[in-house]
Amino acid sequence: QSALTQPASVSGSPGQSITISCTGTSSDVGSYELVSWFQQHPGKAPKLMIFEVTKRPSGVSNRFSGSKSGNTASLTISGLQAEDEGDYYCCSYAGSSTLVFGGGTKLTVL
Amino acid sequence: EVQLVESGGGLVQPGGSLRLSCAASGFTFTSFSMSWVRQAPGKGLEWVANINHDASDKYYVDSVKGRFSISRDNSRNSLYLQMNSLRGEDTAVYYCARVYWIEPRPGHFDYWGQGTLVTVSS
Repeated sequence: QSALTQPASVSGSPGQSITISCTGTSSDVGSYELVSWFQQHPGKAPKLMIFEVTKRPSGVSNRFSGSKSGNTASLTISGLQAEDEGDYYCCSYAGSSTLVFGGGTKLTVL
Repeated sequence: EVQLVESGGGLVQPGGSLRLSCAASGFTFTSFSMSWVRQAPGKGLEWVANINHDASDKYYVDSVKGRFSISRDNSRNSLYLQMNSLRGEDTAVYYCARVYWIEPRPGHFDYWGQGTLVTVSS
């Protein structure tokens, strides 16, 4: 049950695209199409942005997209906006009905 | 509208116990698995426990096994977390979250409560 690995921080200017990586192992990210991504603003509950690697919940902007290759999943945000600033967490099924989160990435919009 | 409202947090001494509750509304509670997820101050999210729709299966992160117990009362649309032998490292905001189950395994957390703060300190 080791946490998935995310970069501590990423930044970008308005209008640019950024990508956040999430690296796990063959026991979690690499074995299941069950990676999700959450956005969290200070003092607020996490919000689901991507599920099952690539799917967006209703109401989430199509500027958010997900992908996966091997043991690494990625979240891409295109057309960066000030409101995208916050913390982002990946999460994966890890077998035996358990789940594991990444350590989180702080996104700064310059 | 799906709503999850946690309660029961507070200050407790090391070695003490606390019971968290989560009141669910806006969906058919008996059809969904539920989870507790915690977040230590300034830290990341950590999955704590899952319980399936009829409470026949329960799963825990290794760090709380034997100390925490997840349960539910489907007649009251409520989820619980009994926390015993509390330690300083259990200090966190505890979130209740609904689990979207993709048979035969949990898929993702689709709705979250606002959380309740548990502080373990003497």
